[in-house]
Amino acid sequence: AQKITQTQPGMFVQEKEAVTLDCTYDTSDPSYGLFWYKQPSSGEMIFLIYQGSYDQQNATEGRYSLNFQKARKSANLVISASQLGDSAMYFCAMREGRDNQGGKLIFGQGTELSVKP
Amino acid sequence: DAGVIQSPRHEVTEMGQEVTLRCKPISGHNSLFWYRQTMMRGLELLIYFNNNVPIDDSGMPEDRFSAKMPNASFSTLKIQPSEPRDSAVYFCASSPQELEGYTFGSGTRLTVV
Repeated sequence: AQKITQTQPGMFVQEKEAVTLDCTYDTSDPSYGLFWYKQPSSGEMIFLIYQGSYDQQNATEGRYSLNFQKARKSANLVISASQLGDSAMYFCAMREGRDNQGGKLIFGQGTELSVKP
Repeated sequence: DAGVIQSPRHEVTEMGQEVTLRCKPISGHNSLFWYRQTMMRGLELLIYFNNNVPIDDSGMPEDRFSAKMPNASFSTLKIQPSEPRDSAVYFCASSPQELEGYTFGSGTRLTVV
């Protein structure tokens, strides 16, 4: 079963506007972490933002915020004031379990964001 | 902190040859992960280690793939013999025990001709 679903293969946004990238997840574990990564054309994986399942407030990091709706099992990424440098592939990911085994990160298929000047 | 260091950055090899990819995790990180990225299959977890012990290798495609972590500061992913379908970008990542804090290396782009 797909654990992380990103339904938007590609998105376009005008420079300086806000954009929301969708992510839904599936888990029965009460303890989990949700992540967003950015992969520009150069290929590196850049960590953007993290939300823990027990966090009461939505995570924010600069222009990035995570709209966490636990009951809906969604963790959408909001980028405010888009910049040309935001054009990249964006991956949502989930890590289950608070056990001492470390826990593996499972990725969605990604959304390719293009910012238009 | 130099981050997660992978080598080589690029590798081109002929089908049938042995390929070894290397990774140095961030000091103090207890977990190490090997991922493969292709257009068709996206990012796949191949194997991960916790405290140098392999925990889950269910993603390793077949017996041609093997991974080792002889100590806390070094891991290898070996493909023997390599095949053209192994062409991909291979990422190594490390993290502390806690739920957050995954850091990826720059990746190794492998091309098998």
